[in-house]
Order: sequence, then C-alpha cells, then structure tokens
Amino acid sequence: AQSVSQHNHHVILSEAASLELGCNYSYGGTVNLFWYVQYPGQHLQLLLKYFSGDPLVKGIKGFEAEFIKSKFSFNLRKPSVQWSDTAEYFCAVKGAGSYQLTFGKGTKLSVIP
Amino acid sequence: DTAVSQTPKYLVTQMGNDKSIKCEQNLGHDTMYWYKQDSKKFLKIMFSYNNKELIINETVPNRFSPKSPDKAHLNLHINSLELGDSAVYFCASSLPGPKETQYFGPGTRLLVL
Repeated sequence: AQSVSQHNHHVILSEAASLELGCNYSYGGTVNLFWYVQYPGQHLQLLLKYFSGDPLVKGIKGFEAEFIKSKFSFNLRKPSVQWSDTAEYFCAVKGAGSYQLTFGKGTKLSVIP
Repeated sequence: DTAVSQTPKYLVTQMGNDKSIKCEQNLGHDTMYWYKQDSKKFLKIMFSYNNKELIINETVPNRFSPKSPDKAHLNLHINSLELGDSAVYFCASSLPGPKETQYFGPGTRLLVL
C-alpha cells in the first residue's frame, strides 16, 4: 500500500523567507507525485506534478519540487514566500497506472507580513 | 465556468437524517471521486467511478452510497447520518489513464448535530 509522510505539521515564516516542505512516500513501483494547495476556505488546487523526466519540476506561483528517487522524497520549495502563500499544502502520490491518489496529512504554512 | 461543482456548499442536519451531495463536472472527464477531509485536514479517498462504473471503494460504512447517473455526475448519498460524518466532502474528476491530474470541487461542509 502506498503512503505519504509530510514532516512538518505547521510552518511559520516571515515574508521573503525561503520555504522547503518535506514529503516522503512509500510505494514499491513507479510513482506520479503531486503537490496541492488549499487556501483558507477554498478547494484544492494543483501546484505542480511529476510524472517522469527532469526531477526538478516547476509549478505555479514560483513553487518548485525535486523528486529524489533514492530518498523517496518530493520536497516543495519556494525561494521567497509571500503573505498570500498562507495555506495548507498537501503532497500526494499515485502509483503509475493506478487511479488511487493518496494524500499526506498536510502542512499548514503561515506567512507573517 | 466552474469545472467541478458541488451542491450544497454547506449542509447542517440532525443525526439520523438522510442527505445527498451532488457533484457535476464539465471537463469531459471519465473518472470521478469522492474524498472526505476530516477536522485535522486529512484527505482520504472514499469512492471512484470510471464511466459510471465503481473502481475504488475504500472502507466506508455502507450508509454511504455513491450514484453516477452519467459520467458527468457523481452524487453521494448518506443514510442515517452520525456525528462522525461531520467533515468536508470533496468531489474530484480526472481523465482515465496513468498520467491524469485530479481536479477538485469547492467542497461541501457537512455538520451533523
């Protein structure tokens, strides 16, 4: 069975600080990886995804993530956060060929102006 | 135009009642999903339908019954509501195949009193 672990429950940063959110997964095969964001009171939106190819994936709003296969990791990064990045961030994994998307428990990011 | 829509947005009801949540997508997707997000923001898949056929049915009480009248709709009917059913329910849709991205609806916040 696949599983996703997000290390940080709540991260608090000042504006302009750099961000890295950890995500590790467990799955015995080829995976597709995703980061979703949920702004307060809103639905989940896709930030970025990795299927194959370049392990450094760029997404919307200046976010990027790096797939490191040897570490089973897919960490999310942003060089300089803004107050508007305050949201809940979810890492998710899906086995290639599977319909089932498994989410981590989410990391709440609070950015202080 | 809203891609994945859910009605109602909020639902407050008494224990023991039966209620339905509707989901519609206009993306032309073949696959639809229901997720439950609990009070700790943990997202868990409940059901998935592909072309009106059930393909994922996680361990969910049989009081929950999905109904797909056509591939653009996946409704969730809940019988004999319990306090523990209080959560946010998200509908999602995707194309079939290994590289699909799931697009989420705005969520329905259910509160059982």
